[in-house]
Amino acid sequence: AQSVTQLGSHVSVSEGALVLLRCNYSSSVPPYLFWYVQYPNQGLQLLLKYTSAATLVKGINGFEAEFKKSETSFHLTKPSAHMSDAAEYFCAVTPKLFVGGNTGKLIFGQGTTLQVKP
Amino acid sequence: EAGVVQSPRYKIIEKKQPVAFWCNPISGHNTLYWYRQNLGQGPELLIRYENEEAVDDSQLPKDRFSAERLKGVDSTLKIQPAELGDSAVYLCASSLGGLGSYTGELFFGEGSRLTVL
Repeated sequence: AQSVTQLGSHVSVSEGALVLLRCNYSSSVPPYLFWYVQYPNQGLQLLLKYTSAATLVKGINGFEAEFKKSETSFHLTKPSAHMSDAAEYFCAVTPKLFVGGNTGKLIFGQGTTLQVKP
Repeated sequence: EAGVVQSPRYKIIEKKQPVAFWCNPISGHNTLYWYRQNLGQGPELLIRYENEEAVDDSQLPKDRFSAERLKGVDSTLKIQPAELGDSAVYLCASSLGGLGSYTGELFFGEGSRLTVL
């Protein structure tokens, strides 16, 4: 069964500092991987996704993530944090369609709250 | 293009009362999902529809929860009777489905926040 682990439920950075949110997945074969962001009282919005093309994926708002198969990781980074980046971030995984039958299910991690200090 | 629309945004009820949530997916999306998000946690899938068919309802508490997607477009999620532990945000999402178009990307609505007193 696939699962996602996000290390650190809360991350606090200063404005302008590097943002690093960690995500590790458990899967027998590389799945599709996603990062979603959730602002207060809003639904989830896709930041970026990995679907087996380039291992370094660029998303919206200056975020990027690198897929590392050897480490089963998909960490999210941003070089310089902005106050508007404060939100809840979720890593998610889903099996590729052609692998073992597709469940169509997006499995989420527990989330990491990003706090940005002025 | 309109996104996923959910209503109501907020609902407060007493335990044992019924409640229903409605979702209108993005036009052309044949796959619809209902997720439940408890406070401080990630969303968990309740049910997934491919058109009118519920293809994954293994996590839906069928003793009190029910869902339908008539005509393969709008969907309704019902809880009857509600319990204190049902307090959560209920998220609806939709996606393009089927071979050749599946990417796993879901589009979410803003959610319906339920408080059971």
